[in-house]
Order: sequence, then C-alpha cells, then structure tokens
Amino acid sequence: KAGVTQTPRYLIKTRGQQVTLSCSPISGHRSVSWYQQTPGQGLQFLFEYFSETQRNKGNFPGRFSGRQFSNSRSEMNVSTLELGDSALYLCASSPDRNNEQFFGPGTRLTVL
Amino acid sequence: AQSVTQLGSHVSVSEGALVLLRCNYSSSVPPYLFWYVQYPNQGLQLLLKYTTGATLVKGINGFEAEFKKSETSFHLTKPSAHMSDAAEYFCAVSDRGNFNKFYFGSGTKLNVKP
Repeated sequence: KAGVTQTPRYLIKTRGQQVTLSCSPISGHRSVSWYQQTPGQGLQFLFEYFSETQRNKGNFPGRFSGRQFSNSRSEMNVSTLELGDSALYLCASSPDRNNEQFFGPGTRLTVL
Repeated sequence: AQSVTQLGSHVSVSEGALVLLRCNYSSSVPPYLFWYVQYPNQGLQLLLKYTTGATLVKGINGFEAEFKKSETSFHLTKPSAHMSDAAEYFCAVSDRGNFNKFYFGSGTKLNVKP
C-alpha cells in the first residue's frame, strides 16, 4: 500500500499570503489529522477530519482551516500568513478510531 | 488537556550501550501511549504503542517500552544501540475516547557514538 503523501514538500511564501497544503491518506483510511511542528512549540495538533467532517480541533486561530473530500483527501489552508507560521506541517491518516496514525513526510512551509 | 514530558532533549550513548528515553504523562486516567521516531527531513514512524493488556510492549527495531501506571510513565528502551538508531524520538498520548488527537512530548534527540 502506498503511504501518506503530502504535496508540495516545500513551499516559500511571503507574509500576508495564503497557502493550501494537500494530503492524500493511505487507501481505505477515513481519518486525516494535521499537525504543526516547529522548533519552539514542537508538535501541535491542528485538526482531524473524518468522513468530510471536522471531528477534533486544536488551539489554533481561525486562519488555519481544513477540509476533507469524499475520497478522504484533505487540504489545509492558512490565510494571512505570519512569520511564525513557518513550520513543518505533517498529515497523518488512520482507518478510524484505532489509535494507529500513519504520518506523511510533511510540507516544509517557509514564510518570508 | 494532556501534557507529555520527555526528560532530556539530547541523549548520547555509545554503540552497543543501553538506550533509555524517558516519557511521563499527566493524565490520571491512563491514556493510549505511543513512541514515534523521526529521521531528518522525514515524517514520523510508529515504533510501538500501548492501548491495553500487557504493560511491556515490543516494537520495531528492537525497541520496547513499559507502561507503569503508578509512575505515569512509558519509558522507551533498547538493549544495544546501533548507529542507525540516531534520530529524534517522540512520545505521544491520546485520550481514551479521543483517539486521533495526539499530544506529543518535546522530543529527545538520540546520538549514537561509535
């Protein structure tokens, strides 16, 4: 089975712009979660989608949003980018509530 | 909210020596517990997990961890370190009933000296 794929792998944006990151889960997985990884804050949970519905949400501002499509692929969007949004964004997929999340390689976002 | 503490942001061992990476969680109700490994410029790979049952859990690459409820700990060990074990290790927990929302520790970078 192919693993979790994330596109693009690297992205450079400037402050004030918006960005969309994409995640394709493992085939058959219906849950997709997003995490932000930074040197200062570590790994932080953004949100989880299951069957096109947001099921869990972390403590991030409304500039961070996501969605899931009927084929379980997910996108996250960050609007009005700030320098502090520079991070590795990781996507993880899971069949359902079985406590095993499989992570993609991440998208490295740099905000200048 | 859960908190996860990993003692030691950097641990250095010699090849062949015991690896011990520490993890403590805050919840009074035992959560689900995980250890992940991250190599440079890569995502996270699951090493092992504890959900229920036997408290000593064996994972991939010779790693194991023991859940100790009385100590709220889930330390990761490997009897003999290999150069390829050099990476960053993350302990994670999720609340029972909130399965896919993980709380991660700050990570421990393991250095293996020849």
